[in-house]
Order: sequence, then C-alpha cells, then structure tokens
Amino acid sequence: QKEVEQNSGPLSVPEGAIASLNCTYSDRGSQSFFWYRQYSGKSPELIMFIYSNGDKEDGRFTAQLNKASQYVSLLIRDSQPSDSATYLCAVNTGFQKLVFGTGTRLLVSP
Amino acid sequence: DARVTQTPRHKVTEMGQEVTMRCQPILGHNTVFWYRQTMMQGLELLAYFRNRAPLDDSGMPKDRFSAEMPDATLATLKIQPSEPRDSAVYFCASGSPVVAAYEQYFGPGTRLTVT
Repeated sequence: QKEVEQNSGPLSVPEGAIASLNCTYSDRGSQSFFWYRQYSGKSPELIMFIYSNGDKEDGRFTAQLNKASQYVSLLIRDSQPSDSATYLCAVNTGFQKLVFGTGTRLLVSP
Repeated sequence: DARVTQTPRHKVTEMGQEVTMRCQPILGHNTVFWYRQTMMQGLELLAYFRNRAPLDDSGMPKDRFSAEMPDATLATLKIQPSEPRDSAVYFCASGSPVVAAYEQYFGPGTRLTVT
C-alpha cells in the first residue's frame, strides 16, 4: 500500500463548479498535510497546509482533514480554467520529510 | 522576493559524464531537500540536509549520486557516471523547522536528459 494515495484523474469539471480532490494516507502518526499545485513543466507550488481536524479556508480553496479516517481533501470553489493543473497531496511523516502522492490532474473546461 | 534558485535549468549530457546540479535555498531556510520527478515514479525524495548536515540520503543511489552542502547558501547534487535512467527533473526545495507545519518551497528544477 502506498503511503499517500490519490486518484490520478483526470478530474473534469466545468468552469464555475466545485472541484473536489481527495487524498488518503497510511501513517496515523502524520502531523501536517499539504496541497501543492503543479502546472505542466513547472515546479510544485504550495497552495495550503492543514494540521488540525476540520476545515481550513483560503480564498476559493478549502482544505479538509479527517485524521480518524486518514483522509485529506481540497475543494476549489468557482473553478477557473487557470486552475487546470496537477494537484499533489503531501504528508509530513516526521522530521520534516514530506511524502507525496502521485497527483490528481484537474481539467476545468470553459 | 524570496525563492529557491537552481542551475542549470536544462542539461543534456552523454552517458558516463558527470553532472552537477546546484541549488540556492531561500535565505534563512536551514533545511534543503533534493527530489527527482519522473512520469512513472512521481516525486521521490533523494536526500535532505538540516543546518548543512545530511539527515537522510536513503532515496539516493549511493554508487553514483552524491549530495553536499558546502555552505548555507549552496547545495549540490552530483551524478557520476550518469546513465539514461537518470533522465528526470530534479527539484531542490527549502524549508525551516521554525514554521509549525514544515512547509517546503520548490525551485524551478533542472531538467536532465542523459543520452
């Protein structure tokens, strides 16, 4: 079982819709959780992090964490074509090491 | 603005040649990470340093790869000899344990092609 699992997609949503990206992790001791966005040919860019159960909102983005279910999600409201990218979930398993999922490709159609 | 820089951005070399990649972390960040990204494997952690000391290089093929931090503003990753299977994008990231969540910030990457 991989440490961090994501559906590879592509996840297709129309412009203006809510995109929901999901991630599960295997290490119950994981302490903090990150979402990175990566455009094709570019480097990963940090969007949000969360370390407490519940929701954390930042503009159009909401990260949700459920440690009991070992589940992290990212909601993107009012999706825009410019949100089309690969979204990487990463989990801090200790000592500052991040383990990355393989990413979910999001396509937002105009 | 503060960002991680990497050189070169692109490198094409022949099998057997030495490759050196350089990274300048964000000023004030004391933790540096080297990752490799391929379509098949995704992002893999190769090695990381804190306060210039290597903490973990278990993800790195020891026989041909080496990573160092000669000073706080420079991290290097060397491959000698290079092989076609080393073709990938190599990212450097930096972070600081002072920040509660330990987030990492990535450089633009070095795209390596070994022919």
